[in-house]
Amino acid sequence: SQTIHQWPATLVQPVGSPLSLECTVEGTSNPNLYWYRQAAGRGLQLLFYSVGIGQISSEVPQNLSASRPQDRQFILSSKKLLLSDSGFYLCAWSITTGGYYNEQFFGPGTRLTVL
Amino acid sequence: AQSVTQLGSHVSVSEGALVLLRCNYSSSVPPYLFWYVQYPNQGLQLLLKYTSAATLVKGINGFEAEFKKSETSFHLTKPSAHMSDAAEYFCAVSKIYGNKLVFGAGTILRVKS
Repeated sequence: SQTIHQWPATLVQPVGSPLSLECTVEGTSNPNLYWYRQAAGRGLQLLFYSVGIGQISSEVPQNLSASRPQDRQFILSSKKLLLSDSGFYLCAWSITTGGYYNEQFFGPGTRLTVL
Repeated sequence: AQSVTQLGSHVSVSEGALVLLRCNYSSSVPPYLFWYVQYPNQGLQLLLKYTSAATLVKGINGFEAEFKKSETSFHLTKPSAHMSDAAEYFCAVSKIYGNKLVFGAGTILRVKS
């Protein structure tokens, strides 16, 4: 069966510090991978998605970046965190079968607090 | 472009009462539709999905939803609420040949004893 891992689970970082959040998926190949952010009262915001290694699409301009160094690994980074980067970060995966889209499965999330 | 509107950011029901969470969508192409549930400080869990087969979809935990094309709706229901149903619920839409979901703003369900 497929599983998705995110770490760390919680993180407290000072403004201006770097960030690296990691997401890995097990039990599937060539998944679509996604990073979302939930900020208080702002719902789910899609930040990045990737349909393959090295292929990253950015949905929202910001000081975050994403990379996919391996098929089942997705990393969210920042060089300098802002207060507004605080939130709950969720990674998700899906597969596309015969051109048809399938549902997304979410990881447990990372709670980031920027002070 | 696709969009989802969830009517009511907060819904409160008594334990044992009917749960009805409303979702209306906008899509220029035939959609796939999903309901997810999120418990505090957890990821989203898929409740059910509509993928152009049966219009009445049954999901986990006793929930079901009906796709009504004429009303562009996909409301989530459960005949009898349990305390454990208290959570935030998200409706989402995608294109059949797309690879992204568009989420609604979410509805927080409170269950009173």
